[in-house]
Amino acid sequence: GQNIDQPTEMTATEGAIVQINCTYQTSGFNGLFWYQQHAGEAPTFLSYNVLDGLEEKGRFSSFLSRSKGYSYLLLKELQMKDSASYLCAPRDGGYNKLIFGAGTRLAVHP
Amino acid sequence: DADVTQTPRNRITKTGKRIMLECSQTKGHDRMYWYRQDPGLGLRLIYYSFDVKDINKGEISDGYSVSRQAQAKFSLSLESAIPNQTALYFCATSDAGQGNTEAFFGQGTRLTVV
Repeated sequence: GQNIDQPTEMTATEGAIVQINCTYQTSGFNGLFWYQQHAGEAPTFLSYNVLDGLEEKGRFSSFLSRSKGYSYLLLKELQMKDSASYLCAPRDGGYNKLIFGAGTRLAVHP
Repeated sequence: DADVTQTPRNRITKTGKRIMLECSQTKGHDRMYWYRQDPGLGLRLIYYSFDVKDINKGEISDGYSVSRQAQAKFSLSLESAIPNQTALYFCATSDAGQGNTEAFFGQGTRLTVV
């Protein structure tokens, strides 16, 4: 089965840096996705990691350690519009279905 | 036009009624998914389909059924709706393959069972 753990809520200040952690256990492993979801809206893709290391994409970076079952999403130069939920989604190694964590609700304040 | 379209966007129905949520996509993807989202529980997978002849149960399939009418269409049915099926439902699609096959989501259907 799958088990995904993320903090429920985080707060941060505009302009700061925040790191959202995710630990996971899956039946096999075939990549990990991060999605952003604003309240009441559809999730949108942020990043994908399949190999260990850091993937950088503008203000957002994502890190993966497959041996530790661990990933984090790093958001730099926070803006108010970054207030959203961030969903960690590892893909299993068998049928390749996408399973989501409960998400981390990030509140950015001035 | 949206790549993944869900209808209806909002629906209120009574306990015991049958209801169908529809999803269509113009992405040309083989894989389609239905998720429900409840506050604090994230997205939970109900059913998924990797091609027209392939249907699989997800984490929480009890009380639901699906039909993959064509590559572009995947519908979710609640045969006899109950109040704890009140939730936000999302359809998603993705390409097949092993790489960065990100999922694309519809705008969601907010279902209320009274």
